[in-house]
Amino acid sequence: KAGVTQTPRYLIKTRGQQVTLSCSPISGHRSVSWYQQTPGQGLQFLFEYFSETQRNKGNFPGRFSGRQFSNSRSEMNVSTLELGDSALYLCASSSGTGGSGGYTFGSGTRLTVV
Amino acid sequence: LAKTTQPISMDSYEGQEVNITCSHNNIATNDYITWYQQFPSQGPRFIIQGYKTKVTNEVASLFIPADRKSSTLSLPRVSLSDTAVYYCLVGDHLTYSSASKIIFGSGTRLSIRP
Repeated sequence: KAGVTQTPRYLIKTRGQQVTLSCSPISGHRSVSWYQQTPGQGLQFLFEYFSETQRNKGNFPGRFSGRQFSNSRSEMNVSTLELGDSALYLCASSSGTGGSGGYTFGSGTRLTVV
Repeated sequence: LAKTTQPISMDSYEGQEVNITCSHNNIATNDYITWYQQFPSQGPRFIIQGYKTKVTNEVASLFIPADRKSSTLSLPRVSLSDTAVYYCLVGDHLTYSSASKIIFGSGTRLSIRP
């Protein structure tokens, strides 16, 4: 079955701009979570959606937002980009009910802010 | 959430068996242990999960002693393609049901040489 698909794979934006990243989860998975990964901070949890509702949010400023659609696809948006937002943004999908392993990650979107 | 401790890095050679140990002294009764693998610019990938004794799949083996305060991921006959970061996670069913509770530490950077 198809894995988690993230688009675009690479993105270059200018400071002050905004960006939208997309994630299509594994078919049947209702939970989508987002992470930011940087060399200095490692993998940091951004937020999690389950059945179109935000279930949890990490410690990120309000410039980071997301949403989930009825088909479980999710988008995350970052407004007023800063240089420090340059990172690999990862999306993971799961059934949302825990259990073994559970999380399947996409290949990520590499965002570079210049 | 039980805290884990892993070596920061390890080196080995092709064809060798590699063992990566993770310490989790505060593991709770309902916790189980999960290992993920991450290649550069990709999302983490589930490798193996276990609760006690030994678990084996087509990729790796996981050894868990009776006191469960540590676990060892064993990779048989490694190749250059096994060069990656390996993460050890500990949590219960509820932990794995919520992405916000899944914390990826620094992991172990494994380098395989020819």
